[in-house]
Amino acid sequence: DVKVTQSSRYLVKRTGEKVFLECVQDMDHENMFWYRQDPGLGLRLIYFSYDVKMKEKGDIPEGYSVSREKKERFSLILESASTNQTSMYLCASSPSGEGDEKLFFGSGTQLSVL
Amino acid sequence: GQQLNQSPQSMFIQEGEDVSMNCTSSSIFNTWLWYKQDPGEGPVLLIALYKAGELTSNGRLTAQFGITRKDSFLNISASIPSDVGIYFCAGHSNYQLIWGAGTKLIIKP
Repeated sequence: DVKVTQSSRYLVKRTGEKVFLECVQDMDHENMFWYRQDPGLGLRLIYFSYDVKMKEKGDIPEGYSVSREKKERFSLILESASTNQTSMYLCASSPSGEGDEKLFFGSGTQLSVL
Repeated sequence: GQQLNQSPQSMFIQEGEDVSMNCTSSSIFNTWLWYKQDPGEGPVLLIALYKAGELTSNGRLTAQFGITRKDSFLNISASIPSDVGIYFCAGHSNYQLIWGAGTKLIIKP
């Protein structure tokens, strides 16, 4: 069964901490994405990557960075967590070319920043 | 970033009722997609539409790609308790995927 796995289901951090959210996919997909989900706002794209070591800013990249050292792994980094980054974070992957619009999502990480 | 206009925002329905939701945009899309997010999970693709006017079914779900390519509809017939969740529309064009804010479906006990 194909899978996108996010390392933590729930995470509680303090303001100013550096936070790492990890995502691994086993489908050999080229494309990987990080979204945040807030009630009433839907899914907002933070960063995405089309290949190893490659990254592109999405709609709301401020306060975040990413790392893609291996094809199967895409990490989201909050350099200095703030309370307004409390949210549900969703990782997704898709193949390149035909079918690239069909995203496979992980179960999400609910991050609370106190 | 751009967002699609998805309505309604939420729906309270009785089990057995039919459900309709829609998405509109000021832009044209080549593909329309509908995803469902179960509570505590990530969204899962339900239906993908690739051609203007296309009508596609997946069990009790039926979706249509609008003729103008600027809208799409999702209907659920005879709703059951496991239909609860958030339904998202998404439009795809030029390597971009644009999302609606979601329709939350709640079934009255």
